[in-house]
Amino acid sequence: AQTVTQSQPEMSVQEAETVTLSCTYDTSESDYYLFWYKQPPSRQMILVIRQEAYKQQNATENRFSVNFQKAAKSFSLKISDSQLGDAAMYFCAHPDSNYQLIWGAGTKLIIKP
Amino acid sequence: DAGVTQSPTHLIKTRGQQVTLRCSPKSGHDTVSWYQQALGQGPQFIFQYYEEEERQRGNFPDRFSGHQFPNYSSELNVNALLLGDSALYLCASSEEREIRETQYFGPGTRLLVL
Repeated sequence: AQTVTQSQPEMSVQEAETVTLSCTYDTSESDYYLFWYKQPPSRQMILVIRQEAYKQQNATENRFSVNFQKAAKSFSLKISDSQLGDAAMYFCAHPDSNYQLIWGAGTKLIIKP
Repeated sequence: DAGVTQSPTHLIKTRGQQVTLRCSPKSGHDTVSWYQQALGQGPQFIFQYYEEEERQRGNFPDRFSGHQFPNYSSELNVNALLLGDSALYLCASSEEREIRETQYFGPGTRLLVL
């Protein structure tokens, strides 16, 4: 069965600093997508960034970037210049062969002012 | 362009009752997926609808059923509610041809079963 593992239940970072959230996954597919979603207290699940497995270049969206290591099945999220509005639960997710999203347990990110 | 909408936002029911949750997909989207998110956990896939039929189903009992209408909107029905059904129910929509690439989520319905 495909799985997604987030080993950090909670992370904290000082405002304006950089933080990295970890994610590992398991899949037998060769071509797939990986996602990081943000869920603030408002509950809305918001797509932060996505990575296509066949692309070697790491995805970047403004202050958010990923470190994708396909052989290690690792997909970490780096947030630069952390802002108070980045405080949320962050979920790593991966669609299985039936396009169902398989989710990690989440990492709670706390931003210290 | 409205995103994914869900109703109601909150709902309180008692054990044994039945509930219906509603979802309207993002404009142009034809596929709707439902997820259950228990407090402090990641979402769990319930089922997915495409062309008005249930295409995929997760590990949920038959008490969970759904429907998709010709306008692509969808309903999630839960019968004989249990305390353990208390959760946030998320609806996600996508275009079928792009479903691998992204799914857009609604704000969710918070269900509390007493």
